[in-house]
Amino acid sequence: SQQGEEDPQALSIQEGENATMNCSYKTSINNLQWYRQNSGRGLVHLILIRSNEREKHSGRLRVTLDTSKKSSSLLITASRAADTASYFCATVGNSGYALNFGKGTSLLVTP
Amino acid sequence: GAVVSQHPSWVICKSGTSVKIECRSLDFQATTMFWYRQFPKQSLMLMATSNEGSKATYEQGVEKDKFLINHASLTLSTLTVTSAHPEDSSFYICSATTSGNTGELFFGEGSRLTVL
Repeated sequence: SQQGEEDPQALSIQEGENATMNCSYKTSINNLQWYRQNSGRGLVHLILIRSNEREKHSGRLRVTLDTSKKSSSLLITASRAADTASYFCATVGNSGYALNFGKGTSLLVTP
Repeated sequence: GAVVSQHPSWVICKSGTSVKIECRSLDFQATTMFWYRQFPKQSLMLMATSNEGSKATYEQGVEKDKFLINHASLTLSTLTVTSAHPEDSSFYICSATTSGNTGELFFGEGSRLTVL
């Protein structure tokens, strides 16, 4: 069942700007993951953050997790045109075995 | 990262026929594979979870007789859409993991099915 809800649904920025996407979820999680999908392609795993972690970095990506608010954010710094894609958050519950994906944020980075 | 390959990447078939989609883990053994379905501009919906050598676990609302899943080996899972109809047209994506589902998943490139 769907759990993550990304916000905004669509985001348009210029190269060099930062892009922030948010994700909210409803139930307890074991971990939360962010994925990227180029149009018509499979998903690429970006970063995983566990429920006992608050922040993680990977290159130009920064992910935060607030379990008290059941929310996460993905920050892409110094965006590039190649970052144009849809970004999904996905949650793994403590008892569940599956990833539950949100509806995604469509990011457009213009040169 | 590990590679998951799906085949075919796209397929067009007539209504009433069956279509098989393969998902292979190329450089690792996948104890668990997952099949997702994605409609245009929508999120991924988990269809079923399959473990090698056992029956797949289907999500609520997914017809197991319609979507046959076989995970015969640690590197291959297949999804067969039986008696396909136009409403089955979708993007099907598989993913695989080696360490349960609390770790990273590796996704295939997806298979686009169009049923005429």
